[in-house]
Amino acid sequence: GENVEQHPSTLSVQEGDSAVIKCTYSDSASNYFPWYKQELGKRPQLIIDIRSNVGEKKDQRIAVTLNKTAKHFSLHITETQPEDSAVYFCAASPSAGKSTFGDGTTLTVKP
Amino acid sequence: DAGVIQSPRHEVTEMGQEVTLRCKPISGHNSLFWYRQTMMRGLELLIYFNNNVPIDDSGMPEDRFSAKMPNASFSTLKIQPSEPRDSAVYFCASSLSSGIRELFFGEGSRLTVL
Repeated sequence: GENVEQHPSTLSVQEGDSAVIKCTYSDSASNYFPWYKQELGKRPQLIIDIRSNVGEKKDQRIAVTLNKTAKHFSLHITETQPEDSAVYFCAASPSAGKSTFGDGTTLTVKP
Repeated sequence: DAGVIQSPRHEVTEMGQEVTLRCKPISGHNSLFWYRQTMMRGLELLIYFNNNVPIDDSGMPEDRFSAKMPNASFSTLKIQPSEPRDSAVYFCASSLSSGIRELFFGEGSRLTVL
């Protein structure tokens, strides 16, 4: 089955700096790659996703890149703010199938 | 839409007791997932259903765990008998099985087994 590895497990940045989180996956059949943000005590919520026919997608301060050949994808957050502090999960999913999640990255943005 | 609804939000029980967690998916979603979240193991998929049919239950830890989806608007996850190592937050999520496949999570059920 699919195996998703996520790095780093913790990340601390200064407010205004950029943050990058990287994930690799193993199943070449995966074609949907979402990123979820989970604030403390809350549910995971989708912040951005990318499909295998696209190499990059951007939404304001958040961008995701995908390299299907190398089987890795990354989340980029620019101009970080304290409210970006949360746990971020990447996931990989084949068509009409289950999403396999990475172990999560705890991002701390220091004011 | 009210989103995915889970109950109870919190459950404290003693080892050996039966626990039943409930989930109402978003209307129109045809896939339903049960996840377990712990500090040690992260977000683990336990089982998922497509059109009320269990598709993959390989994540169910052992025979003490069972899940049902009798209709499109209701699912249960049952643990019998419960053990302290079952303590976790259990999330139910629903999605469309094709096209937009965003997972919509419920608020979770925090289970503590003493």
